[in-house]
Amino acid sequence: ETGVTQTPRHLVMGMTNKKSLKCEQHLGHNAMYWYKQSAKKPLELMFVYSLEERVENNSVPSRFSPECPNSSHLFLHLHTLQPEDSALYLCASSLLTSGESSTGELFFGEGSRLTVL
Amino acid sequence: QQPVQSPQAVILREGEDAVINCSSSKALYSVHWYRQKHGEAPVFLMILLKGGEQKGHEKISASFNEKKQQSSLYLTASQLSYSGTYFCGMLIKNTDKLIFGTGTRLQVFP
Repeated sequence: ETGVTQTPRHLVMGMTNKKSLKCEQHLGHNAMYWYKQSAKKPLELMFVYSLEERVENNSVPSRFSPECPNSSHLFLHLHTLQPEDSALYLCASSLLTSGESSTGELFFGEGSRLTVL
Repeated sequence: QQPVQSPQAVILREGEDAVINCSSSKALYSVHWYRQKHGEAPVFLMILLKGGEQKGHEKISASFNEKKQQSSLYLTASQLSYSGTYFCGMLIKNTDKLIFGTGTRLQVFP
């Protein structure tokens, strides 16, 4: 139990579906992240939210749409995905300190395993 | 842009040592190290904040050479529980981007 909760843990969707992944943290952190982990690729940073503002989208396709309504919640909205989007999607949170950018330890959720048919 | 780790895989007997290296093409503020066991989320090991800093965590320690943009993770007297995939995470200077390396799979056998 890391304090970061992701739902659903498993999701199967067709290419025309719309679904959302949810992430919740109650650690008092002020930064949240979405990472994608594929079988043959390392962790890929998708989005970073710092103080509820998106600071990086890392050239992710528009079929992935993040939303961060407050510092405790993060969503990843999925629309018309492709089979190659099947992967483990990991949410993480951390505490950013002031001054020169400094990210503390990342706490990861257990991930949402997505399969696109 | 992704940090490069070497080696890609390591096989050890219990009690043996290993070194995992990580290098970046970008200027760095800090380096993180994480371990991920199969089917689980990555778990934090340590952060190194300053060039030349060395830190220890039980029998796992690490160094960070800021000028060379490199970090190394040292595992001594390995235990079965050390098995997993190790990732370095490099925080790019003046950003909030923590970019993970390519990963090193470590297997420890009795």
